[in-house]
Amino acid sequence: QSVLTQPAAVSGSLGQSITISCTGTSRDVGNYNQVSWYQQLPGKAPQLIIYEVTKRPSGVSSRFSASKSGNTASLTISGLQAEDEVNYYCCSPAGLNTWVFGGGTKVTVL
Amino acid sequence: EVQLLESGGGSIQPGGSLRLSCAASGFTFSDWTMTWVRQAPGKGLEWVSAISSSGAATFYADSVKGRFTISRDNSKDTLYLQMNSLRADDTAVYFCAKDNWSSEFDYWGQGNLVTVSS
Repeated sequence: QSVLTQPAAVSGSLGQSITISCTGTSRDVGNYNQVSWYQQLPGKAPQLIIYEVTKRPSGVSSRFSASKSGNTASLTISGLQAEDEVNYYCCSPAGLNTWVFGGGTKVTVL
Repeated sequence: EVQLLESGGGSIQPGGSLRLSCAASGFTFSDWTMTWVRQAPGKGLEWVSAISSSGAATFYADSVKGRFTISRDNSKDTLYLQMNSLRADDTAVYFCAKDNWSSEFDYWGQGNLVTVSS
């Protein structure tokens, strides 16, 4: 069960847009339309922000959007705000009722 | 309001055992698959184990297979993780999480620290 590949860090200026990639394989990301994304504040539990590749749960800002192409999923944060400066994780089913997370991406707001 | 309250963590020597509990409320516990996810200090999230709504089916990461056992008591709305033969690399905050329709984890517990050290 390998870890999905995310950049360790991504930065952007206030108000700009950034994109976080999440690269897997044809056995996980490429094989399922069930990629999810989580935001984690320091010392807190992760919070679901995207499910089924592109859908946002109720209450999640529309500044968060996501997509998938082949074995790579992507999370875009538009109109970057100071409160977005936390960690983000992607997740995908990986077959045989197992799941795999990405290594996590730290977002920095310049 | 959905709540997941974990308990049972602490410090243990290598080779020891611990049982984590996760008490659920605010939803029909017996309807949903439940999952354990862990996070080593300063590291990313790692999926550990899942159990079907009835408890009939269980699934494990290779890293814990044969050492950890997931179970649930639907009469008590409680999820468990029995951890045996603990190793230093099992040191982590353990989260319980509720699965949703499309295998996303829509609610999480607050996390419970397990420290394995001599």
